[in-house]
Amino acid sequence: EVQLVESGGGLVQPGRSLRLSCAASGFTFDDYVMHWVRQAPGKGPEWVSGVSWNSGSIGYADSVKGRFTISRDNAKNFLYLQMNSLRAEDTALYYCAKDQYSVFHSGSYFGYWGQGTLVTVSS
Amino acid sequence: QSVLTQPPSASGTPGQRVTISCSGSSSNIGSNSVNWYQQLPGTAPKVFIYNNDQRPSGVPDRFSGSKSGTSASLAISGLQSEDEADYYCAAWDDSLNGPAFGGGTKLTVL
Repeated sequence: EVQLVESGGGLVQPGRSLRLSCAASGFTFDDYVMHWVRQAPGKGPEWVSGVSWNSGSIGYADSVKGRFTISRDNAKNFLYLQMNSLRAEDTALYYCAKDQYSVFHSGSYFGYWGQGTLVTVSS
Repeated sequence: QSVLTQPPSASGTPGQRVTISCSGSSSNIGSNSVNWYQQLPGTAPKVFIYNNDQRPSGVPDRFSGSKSGTSASLAISGLQSEDEADYYCAAWDDSLNGPAFGGGTKLTVL
């Protein structure tokens, strides 16, 4: 059974940093692209970032480019999101999501999601 | 402002057929496949339709998807109370170089 468990969220002041983690199990982790998707309260999901199976290809939404860094550890089956210079508008539930492909693909979709970890940016 | 446009709400009575639309552009729906997600309150989204019209195992065949040009639709026939949820369309966007979502449609079963 595929399981994705996020952690690392919390309350942080604007301008500070936070690192999210996602523990993956139940599938061959290094066979798939992995993503972070966030959802602000009362809003729809927003793709944040994705990383290919071997970290050879990485993508970011314009809203986080230059501030967030995605990475993965295939030996440990972990996905990470380093978030720097956090802003109030980054407040959201952050989901880890599994793709159906090993590389970025126009037919990609999020077949499995974690339960999310809440990030609140406020002074 | 979402890249893909959905009506904010839809409704129907049990047994009815309901359709939810999703409008995009040539850089997303017009050139890439569309996926639909169902989100129940307090839970993560779940894929209900992928590649325009494919249903994952476990999704009732009452749910169907279609695409034409730069628009897509999710149809639900034989509406049931358990279908009450938020529905989101999504598609890869060549300009964003990543997936784009619609703003969501809240489906109410009257």
